[in-house]
Amino acid sequence: EAQVTQNPRYLITVTGKKLTVTCSQNMNHEYMSWYRQDPGLGLRQIYYSMNVEVTDKGDVPEGYKVSRKEKRNFPLILESPSPNQTSLYFCASRSFIGRAYEQYFGPGTRLTVT
Amino acid sequence: SQQGEEDPQALSIQEGENATMNCSYKTSINNLQWYRQNSGRGLVHLILIRSNEREKHSGRLRVTLDTSKKSSSLLITASRAADTASYFCATDAVYTGKLIFGQGTTLQVKP
Repeated sequence: EAQVTQNPRYLITVTGKKLTVTCSQNMNHEYMSWYRQDPGLGLRQIYYSMNVEVTDKGDVPEGYKVSRKEKRNFPLILESPSPNQTSLYFCASRSFIGRAYEQYFGPGTRLTVT
Repeated sequence: SQQGEEDPQALSIQEGENATMNCSYKTSINNLQWYRQNSGRGLVHLILIRSNEREKHSGRLRVTLDTSKKSSSLLITASRAADTASYFCATDAVYTGKLIFGQGTTLQVKP
């Protein structure tokens, strides 16, 4: 089954404690991205990657890091989380090959930073 | 930067009625997509309309696109309680490969 998986689904942590949210897709998609979703602000892109070893900042990259060492994985790293990073996070992937441009989303990770 | 702006922000209708949501955007696009999100869950792709298309149908969904007005609409006919969700338009800008989402319309369908 074609899917994007994220782990963990729920995470409560404390300010300053480094954390990683994993993301993996099994569709061989070139493009992967991370979004955060906050009430009244919609979906905002944090980082994206056009392919392996190619990453770039989205609209709200401050406080986040990513890496793309393999095509299927795109982890999101919070080196020193702060309460304003409490949010619902989504990983997504899409392909540019052929005409299949729709984006597939993971189930979300609800992060609370206290 | 927000490209897609949706209207209305919230919509409440009775089961069986039609629901119409609108989306406006600012720059040139390759295509425009509509997604659905059930509360707290991931977004699910509904339908894609290319910039050279004016109308597209998929089941009870009808999407229109007016590139001269930079706007799109999503019509859900004969709504059901299970259609209760948030609906987002996303614009696929030319050259960037980036999807930009609007803030969404929250639809409530009362049984």
